[in-house]
Amino acid sequence: GQNIDQPTEMTATEGAIVQINCTYQTSGFNGLFWYQQHAGEAPTFLSYNVLDGLEEKGRFSSFLSRSKGYSYLLLKELQMKDSASYLCAVHSGGYNKLIFGAGTRLAVHP
Amino acid sequence: GAGVSQSPSNKVTEKGKDVELRCDPISGHTALYWYRQSLGQGLEFLIYFQGNSAPDKSGLPSDRFSAERTGGSVSTLTIQRTQQEDSAVYLCASSSTQSSYEQYFGPGTRLTVT
Repeated sequence: GQNIDQPTEMTATEGAIVQINCTYQTSGFNGLFWYQQHAGEAPTFLSYNVLDGLEEKGRFSSFLSRSKGYSYLLLKELQMKDSASYLCAVHSGGYNKLIFGAGTRLAVHP
Repeated sequence: GAGVSQSPSNKVTEKGKDVELRCDPISGHTALYWYRQSLGQGLEFLIYFQGNSAPDKSGLPSDRFSAERTGGSVSTLTIQRTQQEDSAVYLCASSSTQSSYEQYFGPGTRLTVT
């Protein structure tokens, strides 16, 4: 079966650092994605990991461990506009079909 | 450069009616995907088109759901005899090549079945 788990909700303070975890169990693995989705809007691409390790892109970093079926998204210097849902998705099997987790709703407070 | 567009943005329909949802992918993108997102849930894959290849329909929840992609561009998702459980946001995404994993999403169509 296909299973992707991430926390439902998280809260953090403006200026702080937050780590959103994602664990997955899928029948195949060709890469892991993180998307950001503001309420009522379409998801936007944040990061893509296919090899183990850390990928850094500005304030956002994403980590992958394939042997552990684990990834995290790290957000630094949090801003109010970072309040959104963060979706973990695995590319599993043929084509480019993505299996999405339910998303983590992050609330950033002043 | 326009992004992915979808229409209508909102659709309210009565149970049992048929609905058509439209997606215009980014020009030149060969791959097109449909997803469904129920309230508070993640995205559920429905169907995938890549060029002239046979579509991957493995995510369609029932035979009431079908999709077409004409001329390798615009796609229409049709839901026949709608049910209340079909209420969701239907998202379309496109990507540039079969090996490009970055999918660009449209704004979605919010479908409400009363």
